[in-house]
Amino acid sequence: NAGVTQTPKFRILKIGQSMTLQCAQDMNHNYMYWYRQDPGMGLKLIYYSVGAGITDKGEVPNGYNVSRSTTEDFPLRLELAAPSQTSVYFCASSYSVGELFFGEGSRLTVL
Amino acid sequence: DQQVKQNSPSLSVQEGRISILNCDYTNSMFDYFLWYKKYPAEGPTFLISISSIKDKNEDGRFTVFLNKSAKHLSLHIVPSQPGDSAVYFCAASFLYNTDKLIFGTGTRLQVFP
Repeated sequence: NAGVTQTPKFRILKIGQSMTLQCAQDMNHNYMYWYRQDPGMGLKLIYYSVGAGITDKGEVPNGYNVSRSTTEDFPLRLELAAPSQTSVYFCASSYSVGELFFGEGSRLTVL
Repeated sequence: DQQVKQNSPSLSVQEGRISILNCDYTNSMFDYFLWYKKYPAEGPTFLISISSIKDKNEDGRFTVFLNKSAKHLSLHIVPSQPGDSAVYFCAASFLYNTDKLIFGTGTRLQVFP
C-alpha cells in the first residue's frame, strides 16, 4: 500500500517551460487535492477533485491546470512556468471529511 | 487575509514537559478543526481533529482544545518526546467541505533532551 505517490520529487524549470506533476493514490479515495507551500506560509489549495471527471478551482489556481480521468490519478499541469511558481507542491487524497493523506511533495524551482 | 493564524513560528520544549501549540481563526463559521504534523522532506500527516460541538478531544498524548468564543484552539502534547520535533499545522474547515480546508502557517516544535 503506497498511499499517495508524487513524481518528480525535484525539478528545475526555465521560465516559460511547461511540465506535469504526477500524483497517484491507491486507497480508492474519491477526493484529491493539490496544494502548494511557500516558505513560511501555510498550504494553499490549487485545485481539487471530488471524483473522476470532476475538478474545481481552489484558492490559487492561476497558471495551473488539472485533469482527473481516473480515480487513482490527478496530474497537475504547469503552463508557461514563472518564478512565482517556485514552491513545494503536495498532492493529497481523502475518503471523508478532513483527514487528508499527503504525498511526500515535489520541490519545483523556476529560474 | 489569513483566516487561520499560528502566531508562534517556533517553540522549544524540554523532553517530558508539556508542549502547547496555539492557533487562532477569524471565521466563526468554521466548524471542523484539524492538526497536522510535518517532518522535513515528508508530506503532512493527520494528527487529531475536533468538531465545533466539542471543546476537547484526546488521543493518547495529544489533546486538542477548542474555545469557540475566543476563536482559539490549542494542541497539548504531554509528555513531549524528541520524536515530536516537527512542524505542526492547524487547519479549519466547514464540516463536509474539505475543499475549504484552510491551513495556518505552522509552528516548528523542537523537543530537546
